[in-house]
Amino acid sequence: NAGVMQNPRHLVRRRGQEARLRCSPMKGHSHVYWYRQLPEEGLKFMVYLQKENIIDESGMPKERFSAEFPKEGPSILRIQQVVRGDSAAYFCASSPVTDRDNSPLHFGNGTRLTVT
Amino acid sequence: AQKITQTQPGMFVQEKEAVTLDCTYDTSDQSYGLFWYKQPSSGEMIFLIYQGSYDEQNATEGRYSLNFQKARKSANLVISASQLGDSAMYFCAIFRGATNKLIFGTGTLLAVQP
Repeated sequence: NAGVMQNPRHLVRRRGQEARLRCSPMKGHSHVYWYRQLPEEGLKFMVYLQKENIIDESGMPKERFSAEFPKEGPSILRIQQVVRGDSAAYFCASSPVTDRDNSPLHFGNGTRLTVT
Repeated sequence: AQKITQTQPGMFVQEKEAVTLDCTYDTSDQSYGLFWYKQPSSGEMIFLIYQGSYDEQNATEGRYSLNFQKARKSANLVISASQLGDSAMYFCAIFRGATNKLIFGTGTLLAVQP
């Protein structure tokens, strides 16, 4: 049973380019979360999605960032016109149920974005 | 608003000794979950242990145990018989089902010395 799969593992972009980060949740999981970890910091919530719906995007920057979780295929976190401050590790997590108090989020290995 | 506080930026422990990593939280919810994750230098997030707010028993998973003191709002992680492979960042997190958010603390860097 494969875990949460994120790709690419490392991504290098020049300022102004677009970054696309992909996340395939665990089998049977229909809820996806994206978190960002800046160097030397903890993980910060960005967005919570269910299939074809954005449930909570309160942690997403207002501009340049978007996320989707289509009916088919992986969840995508898209960063347009990247800047150096976007350099971070981006983690995806998934869960199977809505009542989440007692089920751990399963994290992928993360995508390390470096903006040069 | 919910908040997680980890006051120890770094900790040292001798191999085979036990170590306690502190975590306090602030929430007005009655129902919530507390989690600990390990992040080794390779970067992945590894789930260690979970404690529900209504659980009366402290959670245990192998060498990991959670010292849950609800009245004090603390959920300290105890690692017994430390191993060199335990050297990593450790994050405490609180989850609230109503918002489906996992809020992380700033982490504690544990170094196990031979």
